[in-house]
Amino acid sequence: GAVVSQHPSRVICKSGTSVKIECRSLDFQATTMFWYRQFPKQSLMLMATSNEGSKATYEQGVEKDKFLINHASLTLSTLTVTSAHPEDSSFYICSARPSGAGRADTQYFGPGTRLTVL
Amino acid sequence: GENVEQHPSTLSVQEGDSAVIKCTYSDSASNYFPWYKQELGKRPQLIIDIRSNVGEKKDQRIAVTLNKTAKHFSLHITETQPEDSAVYFCAASKGTGYSTLTFGKGTMLLVSP
Repeated sequence: GAVVSQHPSRVICKSGTSVKIECRSLDFQATTMFWYRQFPKQSLMLMATSNEGSKATYEQGVEKDKFLINHASLTLSTLTVTSAHPEDSSFYICSARPSGAGRADTQYFGPGTRLTVL
Repeated sequence: GENVEQHPSTLSVQEGDSAVIKCTYSDSASNYFPWYKQELGKRPQLIIDIRSNVGEKKDQRIAVTLNKTAKHFSLHITETQPEDSAVYFCAASKGTGYSTLTFGKGTMLLVSP
């Protein structure tokens, strides 16, 4: 149980294009999902918290107009990197926190998306 | 906000030895402390977690201890195996429905056969 999928696993795009990444909780509902960015050999940096049915909460320094987040259902959150540039190249990982009492703080991670912007 | 320090950054052990990774946190309100294992290019996987009402938790070869007074917690792996080689992250949160995880910088564990 507690499986999170992420699609695509890898994407290569040209500078200036937009890329959408999907995060799905497959066997549980998640009121809250999180988007992280991870550079090589570094820790996970929280970008934003995605809440179903409401606006995402962005961490300081993360441009909300560049990283658009939509959490339209209890099992799906999307991250759109708009007008991507080479410096946006990174490993993007989502996580989902199961709804309901007793599991409100555990996060399960997706497999990540490797974004390369040429 | 919360700050989590993790040591060491790298740890090399021989197969069969024990490995200990230590973390400290700054926010006394934090009460949930998970540990994640991440293999190269893969997702972080939850391996064990502990809440502040418990001092120690064990799951086979893995154990976590928590000292609330000193604000530190540790991961203990006994009888290490080569497949334990990975990056391990500790994290802390307030454990509410709206809290976020603050991660340590990670420890690269290398277990040599």
